[in-house]
Amino acid sequence: DAGVTQSPTHLIKTRGQQVTLRCSPISGHKSVSWYQQVLGQGPQFIFQYYEKEERGRGNFPDRFSARQFPNYSSELNVNALLLGDSALYLCASSLKTGNSPLHFGNGTRLTVT
Amino acid sequence: GESVGLHLPTLSVQEGDNSIINCAYSNSASDYFIWYKQESGKGPQFIIDIRSNMDKRQGQRVTVLLNKTVKHLSLQIAATQPGDSAVYFCAVSGNQFYFGTGTSLTVIP
Repeated sequence: DAGVTQSPTHLIKTRGQQVTLRCSPISGHKSVSWYQQVLGQGPQFIFQYYEKEERGRGNFPDRFSARQFPNYSSELNVNALLLGDSALYLCASSLKTGNSPLHFGNGTRLTVT
Repeated sequence: GESVGLHLPTLSVQEGDNSIINCAYSNSASDYFIWYKQESGKGPQFIIDIRSNMDKRQGQRVTVLLNKTVKHLSLQIAATQPGDSAVYFCAVSGNQFYFGTGTSLTVIP
């Protein structure tokens, strides 16, 4: 079975630009979460979506937005990129919200110059 | 919120020895815990989970121990192999999953 897939794998953007990252969950998983991982740190929660509705949001500015589609895939958008947005962006899927294990993709490495 | 910390940022063990990675959390209401392994260039990989109604759970070569009294959990890896070299994270449930900063395990052949 295919795991969580993310695209693109790497991305280089300039400050002020906008970026869209994509995620396809494991088949049958209805929940998708997004995490930001800065080098040397653990993942930090950005968003969780379940059945196309936002179920949680972490401490990130409004420049970050996301959505989930009817097929449960998801996009993360970041506007007005800052140098500090450079990180590995991880998508995780799970069967449901709450106490259900997260299964991660290999992430999108975003570099902002 | 939740604060999650790992006791050691790095750990080196000889191949064949047992490894123990520790994690502390702050919220006594947390009731679900997961250990992840992250290799370079990859996303975190699920290893094992445990719910708060248990204090021990075993998998293949791994054991997770949960001590709710002192809010501490540990991951034990038996007969550590070079392929176990990675960064290990504990994740603690709340209104989201909170991750520690990770322990980098190096296995010496």
